[in-house]
Amino acid sequence: NAGVTQTPKFQVLKTGQSMTLQCAQDMNHNSMYWYRQDPGMGLRLIYYSASEGTTDKGEVPNGYNVSRLNKREFSLRLESAAPSQTSVYFCASSDVRTNSPLHFGNGTRLTVT
Amino acid sequence: SQQGEEDPQALSIQEGENATMNCSYKTSINNLQWYRQNSGRGLVHLILIRSNEREKHSGRLRVTLDTSKKSSSLLITASRAADTASYFCATEGGGADGLTFGKGTHLIIQP
Repeated sequence: NAGVTQTPKFQVLKTGQSMTLQCAQDMNHNSMYWYRQDPGMGLRLIYYSASEGTTDKGEVPNGYNVSRLNKREFSLRLESAAPSQTSVYFCASSDVRTNSPLHFGNGTRLTVT
Repeated sequence: SQQGEEDPQALSIQEGENATMNCSYKTSINNLQWYRQNSGRGLVHLILIRSNEREKHSGRLRVTLDTSKKSSSLLITASRAADTASYFCATEGGGADGLTFGKGTHLIIQP
């Protein structure tokens, strides 16, 4: 039982490059989330998907796009990376119908130079 | 914007001692949760307390909630070196947008 799997674990980009962070969960959860974690800032919500086919902006969505490909997968795309997007990105999932807690992946460490 | 604020930001104690962390929040909540994060890893859920509950226990963890003061505390008894981690409180307000996290308390257990 893998839980929430994120790829890649590490990535270095140059300013202006694009990339997609992948996330998959095997717990049949309806809801999925993307957070970023910066030193001294805690976790901030970028985008979330309450169910397959829906996505909504969180607290810090600028510069990002998401796709809820199916119930299992929720990807985060940076179209034109900026140094301010250097961060650790976490994907999480939950089943809000059962009030389940969030289950997190182990994160992607992204550096934009 | 951040909902929860943990206090203290950092805490260092000797193994075997109790560790207490506090969390304050701003708006009404359905529940409050505590998570642990080990270095380089994702967050792991520890305990959830609903807005109509005042205290909850799970093993060496004790959580209290005071909705009138909009505050919660997490007590870890008989601390162990393996408890070294960052601890986050998170509030759930009933919407579909998941949890709002605080900035965390970094706990170091000295052997």
